[in-house]
Amino acid sequence: AQSVAQPEDQVNVAEGNPLTVKCTYSVSGNPYLFWYVQYPNRGLQFLLKYITGDNLVKGSYGFEAEFNKSQTSFHLKKPSALVSDSALYFCASDYKLSFGAGTTVTVRA
Amino acid sequence: DAGVIQSPRHEVTEMGQEVTLRCKPISGHNSLFWYRQTMMRGLELLIYFNNNVPIDDSGMPEDRFSAKMPNASFSTLKIQPSEPRDSAVYFCASSLVSGNPGTQYFGPGTRLTVL
Repeated sequence: AQSVAQPEDQVNVAEGNPLTVKCTYSVSGNPYLFWYVQYPNRGLQFLLKYITGDNLVKGSYGFEAEFNKSQTSFHLKKPSALVSDSALYFCASDYKLSFGAGTTVTVRA
Repeated sequence: DAGVIQSPRHEVTEMGQEVTLRCKPISGHNSLFWYRQTMMRGLELLIYFNNNVPIDDSGMPEDRFSAKMPNASFSTLKIQPSEPRDSAVYFCASSLVSGNPGTQYFGPGTRLTVL
């Protein structure tokens, strides 16, 4: 079984600053990890995934995530945040997508 | 491709009524998932199908909920009778699974309000 945890309910950053959204995982076996973003009143949009291979995964809209086996983490990062990145971000695991609680990101101008 | 299509987008009904939510997955995808999103419980997987066959329905809350996938192009989620605690946003997602997990693509959701 696989599960994920997002330790922060909210992340606030200034536009142009680096953005990090944290996710830790607990798995038995090979982890399948995903990041999704949800804008208000919209469905979830896929950002990136880790199945196997390179630990640094690049995704949509300039986002990337680093798979860290020793720390059991899969943090989402963006070097320079935009106001339009303000949304709800979900980390998920497993084939069936076990979702974290979500992290609300607010990027202030 | 039009993406995953869900209907209706909004549904308001009274307690005790039957509610049917509909989903058309992306053409060619072989897996379909139904999720429910609420403030209290977040995103929960209700049921998923692979090649039109229900694989795991352990997330279905109770017998009032049922889901079908009569063919590769259509799925329904039915609630009978509905209750106010069923109010939520219901998402359908589809993916192409071949060995490793495929990326799931979500529909826009159906916002259900049960009065």
